[in-house]
Amino acid sequence: EDQVTQSPEALRLQEGESSSLNCSYTVSGLRGLFWYRQDPGKGPEFLFTLYSAGEEKEKERLKATLTKKESFLHITAPKPEDSATYLCAVQAGVATDSWGKLQFGAGTQVVVTP
Amino acid sequence: NAGVTQTPKFRILKIGQSMTLQCTQDMNHNYMYWYRQDPGMGLKLIYYSVGAGITDKGEVPNGYNVSRSTTEDFPLRLELAAPSQTSVYFCASSPAPGGRGGAEAFFGQGTRLTVV
Repeated sequence: EDQVTQSPEALRLQEGESSSLNCSYTVSGLRGLFWYRQDPGKGPEFLFTLYSAGEEKEKERLKATLTKKESFLHITAPKPEDSATYLCAVQAGVATDSWGKLQFGAGTQVVVTP
Repeated sequence: NAGVTQTPKFRILKIGQSMTLQCTQDMNHNYMYWYRQDPGMGLKLIYYSVGAGITDKGEVPNGYNVSRSTTEDFPLRLELAAPSQTSVYFCASSPAPGGRGGAEAFFGQGTRLTVV
């Protein structure tokens, strides 16, 4: 059975204290791995797509990496505005009409204090 | 840009009542989805559609129905509401997956539903 697991569940950081979030997955036929940011009361907001092992993407203080079994979201020198829940999701499958479906992990809630 | 628009934002239903959650997108995306999000549980796929007239069940379809008569609209129908359907519902859309096989989804702001 396909699974997406995120750790830790919650992370409290001091401003400037770098850290990493983990997303491990077991799926058949990975088509893409996605990172989203979700603020309270809002819908998930797209951050990155990674397609193959070894790929990396960066955006401001965030950097996402992908291996064959897991992805990491590195937060470098975070600021309070980086506080949010970060969601990992995968698209997988052989049939073309299943490619679009996203399977989500439970998320990591990040709080950055000044 | 409107993107994905959901209505209503909040709703309280009594057990046994029915309602329709509306979702419309203006990005001409073929794929549309309905997810529910419960605290600490991540998002679970209810139904999805790969184009007008085509729908399929996701992970948690029981108690829900959908239709897709146009590219833009993908309403979710709740029949005989139950307390277990208390949740936050998100509609999303994406373009058809490209050559690399993946396509990011764009989400609406959500509908917070309480069944009492």
